[in-house]
Amino acid sequence: AQSVTQPDIHITVSEGASLELRCNYSYGATPYLFWYVQSPGQGLQLLLKYFSGDTLVQGIKGFEAEFKRSQSSFNLRKPSVHWSDAAEYFCAVGASGAQKLVFGQGTRLTINP
Amino acid sequence: DGGITQSPKYLFRKEGQNVTLSCEQNLNHDAMYWYRQDPGQGLRLIYYSQIVNDFQKGDIAEGYSVSREKKESFPLTVTSAQKNPTAFYLCASSPSTAEAFFGQGTRLTVV
Repeated sequence: AQSVTQPDIHITVSEGASLELRCNYSYGATPYLFWYVQSPGQGLQLLLKYFSGDTLVQGIKGFEAEFKRSQSSFNLRKPSVHWSDAAEYFCAVGASGAQKLVFGQGTRLTINP
Repeated sequence: DGGITQSPKYLFRKEGQNVTLSCEQNLNHDAMYWYRQDPGQGLRLIYYSQIVNDFQKGDIAEGYSVSREKKESFPLTVTSAQKNPTAFYLCASSPSTAEAFFGQGTRLTVV
């Protein structure tokens, strides 16, 4: 069965510092991978997605993620965080054909001024 | 504008009462989903539908029911059998690429 693990429940970084959020997945075939962001009381917004091809994908708001098949990972990175990046981040895995997505537990990001 | 509309934004339910959460999309997506979100537990799938007049149970379907009579609509009913319904409910839709688009959510509280 598909599963996603986000090892860090809560991360705090200083504004301007770099960020890496970890995501490990379990899936029997080549997965479709996603990162979503959620502000309090809001829905989820797609940051980026990986289907195939280049393993380094660029997303919105300056985020990027790298797919590493050998490590079953899809970590999210940003070179320099802004106070507005404070939110909860979810990694998800799915398959083609509009199959259901499986989400990780989420990582809450706090930004120190 | 294309998107997913959930209503109401806040909903209060009395003990023993059924309530229905609305989800409408104008993205022409075939698949629609209902997720429940509780603090520290991520998103858990309640029901999903890949085509009109067909739907499947997700991981936590007990105490919930759905219908899919139109492509655009996928309402969720929280029945009195759901013993702990207080949560944030998210509806999503998806084209064939599996990417999900989410509504803004409905917060349900038992009073």
